[in-house]
Amino acid sequence: EAGVAQSPRYKIIEKRQSVAFWCNPISGHATLYWYQQILGQGPKLLIQFQNNGVVDDSQLPKDRFSAERLKGVDSTLKIQPAKLEDSAVYLCASSLISGGTYNEQFFGPGTRLTVL
Amino acid sequence: AQTVTQSQPEMSVQEAETVTLSCTYDTSESDYYLFWYKQPPSRQMILVIRQEAYKQQNATENRFSVNFQKAAKSFSLKISDSQLGDAAMYFCAYRTSRGYSTLTFGKGTMLLVSP
Repeated sequence: EAGVAQSPRYKIIEKRQSVAFWCNPISGHATLYWYQQILGQGPKLLIQFQNNGVVDDSQLPKDRFSAERLKGVDSTLKIQPAKLEDSAVYLCASSLISGGTYNEQFFGPGTRLTVL
Repeated sequence: AQTVTQSQPEMSVQEAETVTLSCTYDTSESDYYLFWYKQPPSRQMILVIRQEAYKQQNATENRFSVNFQKAAKSFSLKISDSQLGDAAMYFCAYRTSRGYSTLTFGKGTMLLVSP
């Protein structure tokens, strides 16, 4: 079974530029998560989708970050414009469903973003 | 809000020895899950072990076991017979059992394994 795919693996941009990350979850997984992991810290949830609807985006900086999950499968996360403090690893994860019943989250390899 | 605290930024162990990583958490919930995740240098996060709060028995997965103290809100991970491949960042994480909840992570503990 294929795992969570992410691209690109690495990205270097200048501040104020735009960048987009792509995630393809495990087939059949209804729930998709985007996390931001700053160096030396644990991952922090940015946004959670259930199919193509947003369940939780309370920690997403909406003035510069946006995310979509068209057709309830692939997802893109965009930053426009980027700031120095956005330098981090962006992790995508997916699970069968999210709710009271536990379903394991499977993580992708992440995209390392460096903002200069 | 729930918080997860890992007070050991780095731990060292020799091959074949045993090491314990500490984690404490704060919650007002009575039903939740606790996890230990491993993140090797390649960055892919892997689930190591899971504990349901309603279970009194400590979870075990091969060389990995936990010491879950619900009243103390403590959740430590013991790695027995350490191997070079165990070297990684280890994250403790919490998830309530309610609704569309997600994971709250600690800051992690880097485990170094020497031959």
